[in-house]
Amino acid sequence: GQQLNQSPQSMFIQEGEDVSMNCTSSSIFNTWLWYKQDPGEGPVLLIALYKAGELTSNGRLTAQFGITRKDSFLNISASIPSDVGIYFCAGQRGSNYQLIWGAGTKLIIKP
Amino acid sequence: DTGVSQDPRHKITKRGQNVTFRCDPISEHNRLYWYRQTLGQGPEFLTYFQNEAQLEKSRLLSDRFSAERPKGSFSTLEIQRTEQGDSAMYLCASRRQGAEKLFFGSGTQLSVL
Repeated sequence: GQQLNQSPQSMFIQEGEDVSMNCTSSSIFNTWLWYKQDPGEGPVLLIALYKAGELTSNGRLTAQFGITRKDSFLNISASIPSDVGIYFCAGQRGSNYQLIWGAGTKLIIKP
Repeated sequence: DTGVSQDPRHKITKRGQNVTFRCDPISEHNRLYWYRQTLGQGPEFLTYFQNEAQLEKSRLLSDRFSAERPKGSFSTLEIQRTEQGDSAMYLCASRRQGAEKLFFGSGTQLSVL
């Protein structure tokens, strides 16, 4: 079962607005990954974070690895229609690199 | 880099039938993973291979499920005597050993009628 708490579950926003979502856990992770998934497709990797406190950007996306190593957030600036989809966080711990997943944040942009 | 390839993209079958899915990982990725995903949920780990060796299996993987990676390249996932509860998206992913980034295929959507 999932051990990451991802919020919010869904977001309705206006085009051009900034978006923020986060994941928290009671456990420490070594790596945080953020993925985006479109309907009927597999998840696509957006950002990977490897160190506590790390802040990484990918275009309009910015993600941070929490200092406690138990949380991460993803920000999307100036949202556009193609940002619609489900965003998943995934944390990794242990030597087998098995990922623990959040339940996803569904982003919906109001026309 | 052709990405992770999965076949078929969609499979509709009747309850009780056997189905087999194929995954071709990114070349030179020696680790291959199978996940299952249902609507509104994140992917759930099923099993993974390092080269041809199956190193870990989830408790979700009942004895009706079997996965192989005979030559350490492509992998197959077979479900025997399918049940309606098997309906889900089956995702394959691969990574290079020592690298954390996991790359997914587009998945096989299974519908068991």
